[in-house]
Amino acid sequence: QVQLVESGGGVVQPGRSLRLSCAGSGFTFSSYALHWVRQAPGKGLEWVAVISYDGNNEFYADSVKGRFTMSRDNSKNTVYLQMDSLRSEDTAFYYCARVRGWWGKPFDSWGQGALVTVSS
Amino acid sequence: DIQMTQSPSTLSASVGGRVTITCRASQTISSWLAWYQQKPGKPPQLLIFKASSLLSGVPSRFSGSGSETEFTLTISGLEPDDFATYYCQQYSVYPYSFGQGTKLEIK
Repeated sequence: QVQLVESGGGVVQPGRSLRLSCAGSGFTFSSYALHWVRQAPGKGLEWVAVISYDGNNEFYADSVKGRFTMSRDNSKNTVYLQMDSLRSEDTAFYYCARVRGWWGKPFDSWGQGALVTVSS
Repeated sequence: DIQMTQSPSTLSASVGGRVTITCRASQTISSWLAWYQQKPGKPPQLLIFKASSLLSGVPSRFSGSGSETEFTLTISGLEPDDFATYYCQQYSVYPYSFGQGTKLEIK
C-alpha cells in the first residue's frame, strides 16, 4: 500500500542544519509532487515547500525561503528537505505529503511525521 | 498570499448531532478546497476535495459545499470517531494555505 516515511528528525541548536528524508513506496513516485507541511506542537498546519514530480520546480513558504531547500532522487523514491539556519520557530512535526501531478490536487497521502526540535 | 479563516475554532456537539464548520478564503479559489481530519498524534487525512467531492471510503455523513471564497463542512449524525480537529486547505495557488483548524469536542 501507499507509504511515506519521514526520517532525520532530532534536536538541533539554533543556527545549525538538519536534513529530513521522505521515502515513498507502493506508488509511482516519479508521478507525484511531494510537499512538506509542518505543525508546531499543539498548533495548526503550515505548508512549507513543494517539489515537482521531475524536480524541476520548487516553491517555498516565505517563512523558510532562502533557508530550506527541497530535492528529490526518483531512483531512490526519496525527497529531501535541507534545513539551514534553523530557528526556534522551526520546531515542529514535519510531514511529507504527496499530490498527483503538479497542481489542482489535494494531499491524498501523508507520512507519519518527523519531529524537529530547535533548542540550545 | 491567500489567507484561510476557519470558524469556529472549537465546537461542542453530541453524538448523533449535526455540525457545520465554515472556511473563508481571502480571495477566490474557485473550488480548489480540501477538508482534512486530524486526530491526536496522527497526520491529517483527506476527507473532501474540490470543495464537495467525498473521497472514496469517507462516510456519507460528511459533506462539503461552497465555491469562490465561502465553504462549509457539515457532519450529520455525529459518531464518536468524528471528534477530532478539522482543517480546510486551498490548493488554488502557491503558497498553499490552511485554515487554523476547528476542534470538535464531545458535549
